Amino acid sequence: QSVLTQPPSASGTPGQRVTISCSGSSSNIGRKSVYWYLQLPGTAPKLLIYRNDQRPSGVPDRFSGSKSGTSASLAISGLRSEDEADYYCATWDGSLSGWVFGGGTKLTVL
Amino acid sequence: EVQLVESGGALVQPGGSLRLTCAASGFIFSDYWMTWVRQAPGKGLEWVANIKQDGSVKHYLDSVNGRFTISRDNAENSLFLQMSTLRVEDTAVYYCARESVNLNLGSDGFDKWGQGTLVTVSS
Repeated sequence: QSVLTQPPSASGTPGQRVTISCSGSSSNIGRKSVYWYLQLPGTAPKLLIYRNDQRPSGVPDRFSGSKSGTSASLAISGLRSEDEADYYCATWDGSLSGWVFGGGTKLTVL
Repeated sequence: EVQLVESGGALVQPGGSLRLTCAASGFIFSDYWMTWVRQAPGKGLEWVANIKQDGSVKHYLDSVNGRFTISRDNAENSLFLQMSTLRVEDTAVYYCARESVNLNLGSDGFDKWGQGTLVTVSS
């Protein structure tokens, strides 16, 4: 049972916009920034969004992040087949004194 | 080019010990917090431990606290994870990751990852 809650799956067709939610609590998302990671099959994770809504260089602006209260969202617009991957949210939990990840969302491009 | 290369993964019996190493290159290692994250087969990511630039601050996942020790050698640009009293549930690919921290704004996240090393705990 992950500290952060994500839907296990999401899907969309090419060109669509999809959102992935991440729900936490006052000890984590409520106080700290949210980070999003993408993991393609058989590869290491990659940072997608940092500090709630910032994109590292090289990440397309089709990817955007937001946070409100104890929840956060990742939005992917103009969906492409290569976006098919697992997506994880993460943040620091002050009560646990450690980083926590969501359980991950498997995105399928239909 | 920034590189993180993990090594040391192996098959070990329950109760055994193992030491993982992460060799860093292409950046000033001593400027960064470093982290270990693991992923059990077919499961999600789980943060394990992190260590401050000078090694003075360390945090651990509750389930590994007292069994695992994170350390670093800034002169050798290396990060370590000493694992003891290993359990079947410690079986996972272990990744090391670099954490970029902005002094004013906080963490910039785990911006570089290694390819991972597999630890299998089984009799």
